[in-house]
Amino acid sequence: GQQLNQSPQSMFIQEGEDVSMNCTSSSIFNTWLWYKQDPGEGPVLLIALYKAGELTSNGRLTAQFGTTRKDSFLNISASIPSDVGIYFCAGQRYGTASKLTFGTGTRLQVML
Amino acid sequence: GAGVSQSPSNKVTEKGKDVELRCDPISGHTALYWYRQRLGQGLEFLIYFQGNSAPDKSGLPSDRFSAERTGESVSTLTIQRTQQEDSAVYLCASSLAPGSGEQYFGPGTRLTVT
Repeated sequence: GQQLNQSPQSMFIQEGEDVSMNCTSSSIFNTWLWYKQDPGEGPVLLIALYKAGELTSNGRLTAQFGTTRKDSFLNISASIPSDVGIYFCAGQRYGTASKLTFGTGTRLQVML
Repeated sequence: GAGVSQSPSNKVTEKGKDVELRCDPISGHTALYWYRQRLGQGLEFLIYFQGNSAPDKSGLPSDRFSAERTGESVSTLTIQRTQQEDSAVYLCASSLAPGSGEQYFGPGTRLTVT
């Protein structure tokens, strides 16, 4: 099935650095979501975005719903070791209420 | 309250055997979803249940896959005549509102077909 393109695929950063990742699609989504998955666990919802251009923060996390509705961005400020994990974007379209289309994931590793 | 729970957490089975995976959604959540996650990949939608409506089965990869849900409670995902390509983590999620993207996931069942 279709998956959204996420970049970067993986990244190593120093503790305290800011992190940016993005997600793109060839088609429009009406809702964008960002999830984090730790090893051996299910994804946990971080941020949900419902409107084109929307910028939403959750603590050190900030996400934006792209104005074209074909992309979204996630920023993490001042990274800490517990930020390690895999970050997935997910999109949802009107009329397909049951389905989330997930990105390919960005693996984040933080060096102390 | 408790989150979404799944059992078993791990399952190893021989090729050709049937397996049944269980999901207990969050109490009061009307919508339930099953996803498959292959190693190193994102999640693939399998099936969606909403109340007593007919489920959306459009993501099931073959007729060997089926799922049931009784009312707004437990769901079981059954894979018949398992194949090695069925090896994956099977994740269940529930949401309070129908068709909401704000889904809450269980820890998954890791299925290994030998």
